[in-house]
Amino acid sequence: DTEVTQTPKHLVMGMTNKKSLKCEQHMGHRAMYWYKQKAKKPPELMFVYSYEKLSINESVPSRFSPECPNSSLLNLHLHALQPEDSALYLCASSQESGANSPLHFGNGTRLTVT
Amino acid sequence: GESVGLHLPTLSVQEGDNSIINCAYSNSASDYFIWYKQESGKGPQFIIDIRSNMDKRQGQRVTVLLNKTVKHLSLQIAATQPGDSAVYFCAENHIGADGLTFGKGTHLIIQP
Repeated sequence: DTEVTQTPKHLVMGMTNKKSLKCEQHMGHRAMYWYKQKAKKPPELMFVYSYEKLSINESVPSRFSPECPNSSLLNLHLHALQPEDSALYLCASSQESGANSPLHFGNGTRLTVT
Repeated sequence: GESVGLHLPTLSVQEGDNSIINCAYSNSASDYFIWYKQESGKGPQFIIDIRSNMDKRQGQRVTVLLNKTVKHLSLQIAATQPGDSAVYFCAENHIGADGLTFGKGTHLIIQP
């Protein structure tokens, strides 16, 4: 079991749907991250939140919209996705961003866009 | 291009042997390195990390070696067990960066 919890574990959505991915951590970490991982590829950074403020947006299309309601929660809102957006979406947290401390990952949400 | 990479996509070892997984990086500003293990259907799991002011760090059955001269990182797993079967990623961070950059990954296969 991980200390970063992601829901749902699996999600199938159509290209016109709106859905949200959720992430929660209770380790007191002040940095939270979204990564995208395609099959047989390494995770790729999408967004970084530091002290609940968006600090990194790695040129991600606007159909992905992150939100950090508080220091323990991180959401990723999805709208009008494309089939190529199907992937494993990983949430992670660390004590602080930019510091040399490890990221702790959840087990991801497996997203399929039909 | 990518700032970290791995030499082999797949490594097959006999159970009980030692495994060595390699990683090369290109960014001279990289100052923190981590090895992650990812099992099927799970997220990456932290194994061991090392800062650039060190060249070796040991954990339980694992050792990470860092050679800054040639920008090379390796993970050694002693007495490999079936439970070690997974994809292993190296990742790096550098001053001014807010997130880890991952290498391509090596799939470790354990043969009985």
